[in-house]
Amino acid sequence: DGGITQSPKYLFRKEGQNVTLSCEQNLNHDAMYWYRQDPGQGLRLIYYSQIVNDFQKGDIAEGYSVSREKKESFPLTVTSAQKNPTAFYLCASSILAGGATDTQYFGPGTRLTVL
Amino acid sequence: DAKTTQPNSMESNEEEPVHLPCNHSTISGTDYIHWYRQLPSQGPEYVIHGLTSNVNNRMASLAIAEDRKSSTLILHRATLRDAAVYYCILRSYYGGSQGNLIFGKGTKLSVKP
Repeated sequence: DGGITQSPKYLFRKEGQNVTLSCEQNLNHDAMYWYRQDPGQGLRLIYYSQIVNDFQKGDIAEGYSVSREKKESFPLTVTSAQKNPTAFYLCASSILAGGATDTQYFGPGTRLTVL
Repeated sequence: DAKTTQPNSMESNEEEPVHLPCNHSTISGTDYIHWYRQLPSQGPEYVIHGLTSNVNNRMASLAIAEDRKSSTLILHRATLRDAAVYYCILRSYYGGSQGNLIFGKGTKLSVKP
């Protein structure tokens, strides 16, 4: 089955700790994205990557970091510099970045809670 | 990307059709209309997209106004599994610099048994 997996589903972190969220896809997609969703809100873009070894900041990148060493993987690190990290994090991928008919496929999400 | 306007919430009865409206009065000639939905505590999933003509797939139908300033997502027979937040999104033919989808707050659809 092709798709996107995210782990873990729930994550708890103490203040001041960095934490890394996993995102893997076997769809052979070039583009990958990280979004953040707060309760009752739409999704906001954190980082995106159009190709291996390249990534760009989105609208709310402060306090986050990413890497793209393999086509299949796009992990997100939430650092202690992120002021309000408690949120639902969603990873997505698409064949191309930005095409008008391009469809994005989303993972099941990771719910991060900072204690 | 141009802006869309959707009602905050709608209710439907099970096994009845549902018409979810979206206004996009500033749409450009090359903008595609996309719909995604998000079930509770899950990631969004693609539903359908179109440019000018009405579109059908196994999940839904998309009716696009002749002037393209509005569109309607049609679920022909709502089931309890269709209870979700539905997002109407415009995507430019020329793409954005980031390629991301711009999500508003969407319409929360409740389905009553």
